[in-house]
Amino acid sequence: GQQVMQIPQYQHVQEGEDFTTYCNSSTTLSNIQWYKQRPGGHPVFLIQLVKSGEVKKQKRLTFQFGEAKKNSSLHITATQTTDVGTYFCAALGSGGYQKVTFGTGTKLQVIP
Amino acid sequence: EAGVAQSPRYKIIEKRQSVAFWCNPISGHATLYWYQQILGQGPKLLIQFQNNGVVDDSQLPKDRFSAERLKGVDSTLKIQPAKLEDSAVYLCASSLGSVGYEQYFGPGTRLTVT
Repeated sequence: GQQVMQIPQYQHVQEGEDFTTYCNSSTTLSNIQWYKQRPGGHPVFLIQLVKSGEVKKQKRLTFQFGEAKKNSSLHITATQTTDVGTYFCAALGSGGYQKVTFGTGTKLQVIP
Repeated sequence: EAGVAQSPRYKIIEKRQSVAFWCNPISGHATLYWYQQILGQGPKLLIQFQNNGVVDDSQLPKDRFSAERLKGVDSTLKIQPAKLEDSAVYLCASSLGSVGYEQYFGPGTRLTVT
C-alpha cells in the first residue's frame, strides 16, 4: 500500500529561523495537500499541489511538488510563535480512486 | 457557514463496551471521512463515503468497527467491543467531492478505553 513519510519528526527552532519539512511517497501521486494541526486542535487545510514541479506561496510559506510527483516540501521563512503545530502532508494516489494517505507529520516548536 | 459537527467531544469507556460517534458534515458536502488519530501520529483513514455509498473501508477493522451514512448526510461510527488500542481521537471530515477537494475537519471525539 501507499506509504507517506515525513522528515523530520520534530523540529525546534528559534523564532525568526527558517523551517522545512519534507514529505516522501513510495508511489507516484495525483496531488498532495498540506494541513496544519495546532496542539489540541484538528487539521486545517493549507494548500493543494497538482502539477509536477509546482511551487506555491502563502505569505511566509512556500510549498513545492517534486518533478516526479513523489515528494513535496513545505518551507516557512522567519518562523513565528503562531507557526507552532504539526504539519501533515496528505497524499492522493494516482489511478482511478485517489485514496488519501496522511503523512507521519512534523511537529514544529518555535522558541521565542 | 457552519463547520463539521461531532459528538460527543470526549468519551471514556471500559474495554469490551460499545461506543458510537456522530458526525454532521458541512451542508452540501458529498464526501465524508472518518479518521482515527492515535497520539503522535497522522490521521489514518478508516472509511470514506461518497453520498451514502462506501468508497473505501480497507482500513476499517470490520470485526469491531461499523459505520453508516444514512440519507447521505449524517454519519455514525460504532465500535463494539472496544479494545485498549482503540484509544484515540476520531476525526470526521467532509469535502465537496472525493477527488482533489480540501477536507474540512470536525473537532474530533477523544476516546479513552480503560
